Amino acid sequence: DAGVIQSPRHEVTEMGQEVTLRCKPISGHDYLFWYRQTMMRGLELLIYFNNNVPIDDSGMPEDRFSAKMPNASFSTLKIQPSEPRDSAVYFCASSLERTSYEQYFGPGTRLTVT
Amino acid sequence: GQSLEQPSEVTAVEGAIVQINCTYQTSGFYGLSWYQQHDGGAPTFLSYNALDGLEETGRFSSFLSRSDSYGYLLLQELQMKDSASYFCAVRDHSGNTPLVFGKGTRLSVIA
Repeated sequence: DAGVIQSPRHEVTEMGQEVTLRCKPISGHDYLFWYRQTMMRGLELLIYFNNNVPIDDSGMPEDRFSAKMPNASFSTLKIQPSEPRDSAVYFCASSLERTSYEQYFGPGTRLTVT
Repeated sequence: GQSLEQPSEVTAVEGAIVQINCTYQTSGFYGLSWYQQHDGGAPTFLSYNALDGLEETGRFSSFLSRSDSYGYLLLQELQMKDSASYFCAVRDHSGNTPLVFGKGTRLSVIA
């Protein structure tokens, strides 16, 4: 398997623009996680899905953030409108349900909002 | 809620042994994981402890004491490529809850 795939790898956008981040989990994995990493706040869980169903979105910072998982092989994280404080590295990770302590991370998307 | 404490930085000499500690406070406890992240890279899974004791995987070992709410990652025969950030992460309930990550320990291996 190719591992978790994320796109784009880098995104530079202006404040107010919509940003869509994409993730393809490892085939057969039951869980999908979206994280945000910054120097100040570390690695924060934003939302996670189990079998395509959102389980907990309490980590989503505000209504500007939304995530979907229309099928087992694709998920998106959308920020609309984007703000400079959203600048961070966004990781997608997936795991099997029975070994959810072992998560496989994608390469991340480095988002810069100017 | 949960909280994890680990040192922010550690420096060690190539070939030496280093221990990275992690203490946690959770309402329940199911297991402690360790991840490695190189600069510019993604976190990668290293080890997992659900029971007390030492788990060994090559040069890396991880230890857990549930009674002390404490664990550590032990790296032996340090190599320059081990310079990275190391995160402990806890799961406080059974399988269907996510991991909570510590802030990470930045390990610098010097010659």
